[in-house]
Amino acid sequence: GAVVSQHPSWVICKSGTSVKIECRSLDFQATTMFWYRQFPKQSLMLMATSNEGSKATYEQGVEKDKFLINHASLTLSTLTVTSAHPEDSSFYICSAYTPTAGNQPQHFGDGTRLSIL
Amino acid sequence: GENVEQHPSTLSVQEGDSAVIKCTYSDSASNYFPWYKQELGKRPQLIIDIRSNVGEKKDQRIAVTLNKTAKHFSLHITETQPEDSAVYFCAATANNAGNMLTFGGGTRLMVKP
Repeated sequence: GAVVSQHPSWVICKSGTSVKIECRSLDFQATTMFWYRQFPKQSLMLMATSNEGSKATYEQGVEKDKFLINHASLTLSTLTVTSAHPEDSSFYICSAYTPTAGNQPQHFGDGTRLSIL
Repeated sequence: GENVEQHPSTLSVQEGDSAVIKCTYSDSASNYFPWYKQELGKRPQLIIDIRSNVGEKKDQRIAVTLNKTAKHFSLHITETQPEDSAVYFCAATANNAGNMLTFGGGTRLMVKP
């Protein structure tokens, strides 16, 4: 149980393109979803926290107009990287939180490797 | 906010030896401390966690110790095996349920056969 599905797993696109990444909790309802970015050989850096039906809370230094987060339901959150540029190339990971799903508090998706040419 | 420091950044051990990774945190309100193992290109996997009401927890070859007074916690892996090679991250949160994790910088563990 407590499975989080993240799609796509790998995206390669041209500079200027917008890319949407989906994060779904398959067998539980997530009260909160988190979006992380991980550059090569670095740690996971929290980008934003989203709660269903409300605006996402962005961490300092993360542009909310560039990284659009939508959390329309308790099982789906999306991250859209708008007008992506090579410096946005990274590994993006979502996680879903609910106090009742499994014995670990955050359940991670498999991640999306984004490469901007 | 919370700040988590992790050392060492890289660790190389011989198969069968023990490995120890240490983390310190800044927020005295933190009360939940998970450890994750991440293989290249994959999701972080929870391997062990500890809550502030205990000082030590063990699961087979893996153990975690917590010193709340000094605000540090450590991961101990005994009888290391090549498949233990990965990047390990510690994390801390002030929310007892694990919300809003702050991660350490990671330790790349290499176990040489």
